[in-house]
Amino acid sequence: AQSVAQPEDQVNVAEGNPLTVKCTYSVSGNPYLFWYVQYPNRGLQFLLKYITGDNLVKGSYGFEAEFNKSQTSFHLKKPSALVSDSALYFCAVRASGAGSYQLTFGKGTKLSVIP
Amino acid sequence: DAGVIQSPRHEVTEMGQEVTLRCKPISGHDYLFWYRQTMMRGLELLIYFNNNVPIDDSGMPEDRFSAKMPNASFSTLKIQPSEPRDSAVYFCALRRNTEAFFGQGTRLTVV
Repeated sequence: AQSVAQPEDQVNVAEGNPLTVKCTYSVSGNPYLFWYVQYPNRGLQFLLKYITGDNLVKGSYGFEAEFNKSQTSFHLKKPSALVSDSALYFCAVRASGAGSYQLTFGKGTKLSVIP
Repeated sequence: DAGVIQSPRHEVTEMGQEVTLRCKPISGHDYLFWYRQTMMRGLELLIYFNNNVPIDDSGMPEDRFSAKMPNASFSTLKIQPSEPRDSAVYFCALRRNTEAFFGQGTRLTVV
């Protein structure tokens, strides 16, 4: 069975500082990895994905994530946090094989950027 | 939120009543999913459809839950009878290629 772990329920960071939201995964075969963001009273919005190729992927709003196969991690990063980045962030994984359908989400990490 | 419209946005109902949540995917997709989000469990996959056919409903918590997709532009999730522990935010999502697109969700409160 595939799974995602987001070890931190909450991350606090000062505005302008770099931020990291951690994610590790478990899946059979090669993974497809995703980050989503959820603002209050909204659905999840896609941020970025890793399918294949360069381990460092860049996404929306200045976010990036690094795929590390040996550590089975896909941490989300941003060089300089904004107050508007405060939201709930979800990491998700799906197996890459044909017929793989299920996107498994982590429990989410609440990011608070302090002015 | 682009591509998926859910209604109602909020629903408050009394225990024992029937509740129907609606989802309208407004653009092309190959899969449609229903998720439930709670503080305790996070996001749980309830059921998914491929080409309007239910493929896996193993995530549906009980027989009180049922879902249909009569055509590519409409799906419903029904709870009958509803219970307070069903209170959650229910999301419909569609998958296009490798990405999933979520609706804004329906916040259900059963009192």
